[in-house]
Amino acid sequence: EVLLVESGGGLVQPGGSLRLSCAASGITFGHYWIHWVRQVPGKGLLWVSHINSDGSATSYADSVKGRFTISRDSAKDTVYLQMNSLRVEDTAVYYCTRSFDYWGQGTPVTVSS
Amino acid sequence: DVVMTQSPLSLPVTLGQPASISCRSSQSLVYSDGKTHLNWYQQRPGQSPRRLIYEVSKRDSGVPDRFSGSGSGTDFTLKISRVEAEDVGVYYCMQGSHWPPWTFGQGTEVEIK
Repeated sequence: EVLLVESGGGLVQPGGSLRLSCAASGITFGHYWIHWVRQVPGKGLLWVSHINSDGSATSYADSVKGRFTISRDSAKDTVYLQMNSLRVEDTAVYYCTRSFDYWGQGTPVTVSS
Repeated sequence: DVVMTQSPLSLPVTLGQPASISCRSSQSLVYSDGKTHLNWYQQRPGQSPRRLIYEVSKRDSGVPDRFSGSGSGTDFTLKISRVEAEDVGVYYCMQGSHWPPWTFGQGTEVEIK
């Protein structure tokens, strides 16, 4: 069974940092682009960031550019999203997805004082 | 950025009856590879998105054949031939032809009358 498992979410104060992880089970990330997508509860889906298969190319939504950094560790088959300078409006469930076919269950991030 | 516009945003349907969701893009989704990267997702309550359709009309493995996708250029449609109770949820279209960013429609909530 193919599984993507996100972790690292939680409650953080505005201005704080979190690092999300996305690990694969039953598949390998090796040849795929990986994306992070977020969803405010009750709202729609918003693409956040992508990384290509070898980590040489990344992109970000304007709303997170300069604050979030995506990376991958091929040896661990894991993708990370380092989130700095967090804002209240970053509060959402964060999903990782392998080329938009398989999706994880999401990890909630709450930014609040 | 490509804007994806879905209609209707709410769709009450009777069990066993057909349902149709429209998705329009602000520019043609034909990519340089000749393919049209338009996907449809189902998100059941409390679950992560599940891809149903990719490249306009290709059904993912395990997706019931009552789901079908059609369209071209800027106009796309997801049809459910006979709605079942398990089809309740929110449906999203997503374009992957002009990126970044990858963009989603606002979502269409399907409910049983």
